[in-house]
Amino acid sequence: DAGVTQSPTHLIKTRGQQVTLRCSPKSGHDTVSWYQQALGQGPQFIFQYYEEEERQRGNFPDRFSGHQFPNYSSELNVNALLLGDSALYLCASSREHGQPQHFGDGTRLSIL
Amino acid sequence: GEDVEQSLFLSVREGDSSVINCTYTDSSSTYLYWYKQEPGAGLQLLTYIFSNMDMKQDQRLTVLLNKKDKHLSLRIADTQTGDSAIYFCAENPADSGTYKYIFGTGTRLKVLA
Repeated sequence: DAGVTQSPTHLIKTRGQQVTLRCSPKSGHDTVSWYQQALGQGPQFIFQYYEEEERQRGNFPDRFSGHQFPNYSSELNVNALLLGDSALYLCASSREHGQPQHFGDGTRLSIL
Repeated sequence: GEDVEQSLFLSVREGDSSVINCTYTDSSSTYLYWYKQEPGAGLQLLTYIFSNMDMKQDQRLTVLLNKKDKHLSLRIADTQTGDSAIYFCAENPADSGTYKYIFGTGTRLKVLA
């Protein structure tokens, strides 16, 4: 039973570029959430997707956008990258509300 | 407000018990989770509890919840060197319309051989 898988594992970009991160949820899960974890901090909620719609959004600018596909996989897009976007981006999947979120190993994004 | 607080560091000797503490602020019924993060890895779910429970035990792990004080603790019995990691407490309000997890800053546990 595959868990949550994310790609790529590492990525290096320069300021102003755009990036797309990918996530496949755990089998049987239909909800995908994205988090940003800066160095030495806890994860911060970016947004959650359910039934291909953004269901809730955290305090992140519109440069952060996402998508969920019919197979429940998801993408996180970040435009106009800033140095401060350097972080570990974590994807989590879950079933219904109240069931725990399961996390992937993340994509480490470095902005030069 | 939304805030989950944890102490930053804890050091214990192998074989001793570890107790990691967390306080949260949401006053509604809520789910509370403990995750473990090893270097270079994502978050591994350890255990979770709903706020109508006082305690939950799962092998070496015991979660205690004091709802009145909004205090959550994770006790690891017979701590091993493999338990060295960062431990995150997370809160998820049970009210409909709130799906995000609110994480603490994490407690770094160091186990000394």
